[in-house]
Parts: sequence; C-alpha cells; structure tokens
Amino acid sequence: AQKVTQAQTEISVVEKEDVTLDCVYETRDTTYYLFWYKQPPSGELVFLIRRNSFDEQNEISGRYSWNFQKSTSSFNFTITASQVVDSAVYFCALSEIPGGGADGLTFGKGTHLIIQP
Amino acid sequence: GAVVSQHPSRVICKSGTSVKIECRSLDFQATTMFWYRQFPKKSLMLMATSNEGSKATYEQGVEKDKFLINHASLTLSTLTVTSAHPEDSSFYICSALTETETQYFGPGTRLLVL
Repeated sequence: AQKVTQAQTEISVVEKEDVTLDCVYETRDTTYYLFWYKQPPSGELVFLIRRNSFDEQNEISGRYSWNFQKSTSSFNFTITASQVVDSAVYFCALSEIPGGGADGLTFGKGTHLIIQP
Repeated sequence: GAVVSQHPSRVICKSGTSVKIECRSLDFQATTMFWYRQFPKKSLMLMATSNEGSKATYEQGVEKDKFLINHASLTLSTLTVTSAHPEDSSFYICSALTETETQYFGPGTRLLVL
C-alpha cells in the first residue's frame, strides 16, 4: 500500500525567510511518481511539480526547489525568500502512474504554511 | 493545460435533500474521472473512480448508494449526494484523466448541509 506522510501540520514563518516542507513516502513499486500541489484558500489545487522515481536530481523553479532522496524516501520542498502569497496548504502526493493515473493519487495530510508579513 | 470545471462551486441544502455536482472536462475527453472528498483541514481522500459508460469503482468505506456517480459522456461526470445529512458537508473535488494519464483537478464544490 502507498502512504505519504507530511509530519508538519502547520508552519508559520516571517516573510523572506526560507522554509522547507517535509514529505516522506512509502511504496512497494519500483516505479512511482511524486507530486506537490498548492491549495490556496480558494480550494483549487495548483500543480507544482512531478518527479519520477528514476530521477533524483534536485529541481529548482524560481524560489521553489525540491530535494528528492530515494535513500530516505523523502521529497522535500523548499521555498526561498518566502512571500505572503505563498501562504496555502501544500500537499505531497504519490502515484505509480505519471499523471496520477488510473488509480488516483495518494495524498499526504498537507502542511498549512503561513507567511506573516 | 487542460481545464476541468465543477458546478456548483458552493451549495447549501437542507438535510434529507439530494445534491448533484457536475464535473466537466472543457477541452479534452476524459474516459476516467475521479471524485475526492476533503474535510476541513484534512487531506483529499479518493472516493471513487468514474468510468465513462460503466459503473463507478468506489473506495472502501464509501457508500455507493449514498454517493451516486454517473459518467454519461466523455466530458461529464456527476456526483449526487442522496439524502444529504450534515456529516456529508465537505469539499468535493473532481479530477479528469487525459489520454496521457495526467490528472487535472476541478476547482472544487463546497457542500453545506443544514
């Protein structure tokens, strides 16, 4: 069975600080895909990134970066120089299909990130 | 990217009534759609997989007679909450699967049962 653990329920930082959101996953599949989604107060899920299990290279996109380590089954997400607009709930998710595919996604419980001005 | 819409975005109903939520893929055809449920400050839980032209597949613990799913066309799936009760109040999110097996999520529907 697949499982995603986001141990941080809520994080509060002051604007411009860096913040890392942790994600630990469990799966028996050798091929799998990891995702991060942002859910602002409006509720709509915003896709941030997808990473497959064969690619452990870290990725950077502007102020966002992701650290994938198979050895520790972790896929952590860092926001550099945080901004108030980054305030949202962030979900880590897992699937054995690239797009989150035919069996749906397994979501973590989410981390509520609060960026204070 | 592909666009998925949901209607209504918000609904308030009385206990005992039924509520229908629509999920549409606007610019692509989706053989498969998913319905998720999210309680306040909780994660998304997959409720069921909706397959065009066939019966939906429900996750364990989800009452199929309570949550009726109809996927009558390649662009529309509906979720009907029958005889709604206050405990059914939740945020319902659908997603649609493209031919390349990528899920695109709808904006969600907030249901409040009084």
